[in-house]
Amino acid sequence: QKEVEQDPGPLSVPEGAIVSLNCTYSNSAFQYFMWYRQYSRKGPELLMYTYSSGNKEDGRFTAQVDKSSKYISLFIRDSQPSDSATYLCATYQTGANNLFFGTGTRLTVIP
Amino acid sequence: NAGVTQTPKFQVLKTGQSMTLQCAQDMNHEYMSWYRQDPGMGLRLIHYSVGAGITDQGEVPNGYNVSRSTTEDFPLRLLSAAPSQTSVYFCASSYWYESTEAFFGQGTRLTVV
Repeated sequence: QKEVEQDPGPLSVPEGAIVSLNCTYSNSAFQYFMWYRQYSRKGPELLMYTYSSGNKEDGRFTAQVDKSSKYISLFIRDSQPSDSATYLCATYQTGANNLFFGTGTRLTVIP
Repeated sequence: NAGVTQTPKFQVLKTGQSMTLQCAQDMNHEYMSWYRQDPGMGLRLIHYSVGAGITDQGEVPNGYNVSRSTTEDFPLRLLSAAPSQTSVYFCASSYWYESTEAFFGQGTRLTVV
């Protein structure tokens, strides 16, 4: 079983829609949960991260972690064509030497 | 600041050839790593380094070598290229291995024929 599982999509939504992107993880010791955004033919860039459970909001983006169900979510409100990208979830535990990435979900926002 | 710089951006190799993918960062980060990204597989860690002179294997190290003689540079060597190594390679750096933010280069698209 992979450490992080992510639905690859692709996901296509109209401009202005609310987008929900999700991941599950296997190791209850994971403490930090990140979302990276990757535009086509570019390297991933950190979008936001959360520590342990709860929500974190940054503008139109909200990251949510439910440790009881080992579920990670990213919500995008009022989606824009510029949000079209691949979104990767990632996690790690304190003391580990690397991040564990999901496979990424490709999102297209149609004008 | 340039961030993380990878060269070359594109490369075509014949089976059995060797080559070095270059990676340099100017942020004085201790931790550097190499990933490969394949469709449906996500980012998989090849090798990483927690500082100059210290390297270790990741999830998929076979067929690759690394060294870290300076804080800035972390080259990845393909010893004898195989078609299975066709992929997009990303170098990343972070302040420390427990950092939540890894800075990625633009990637090297490698095709082995």
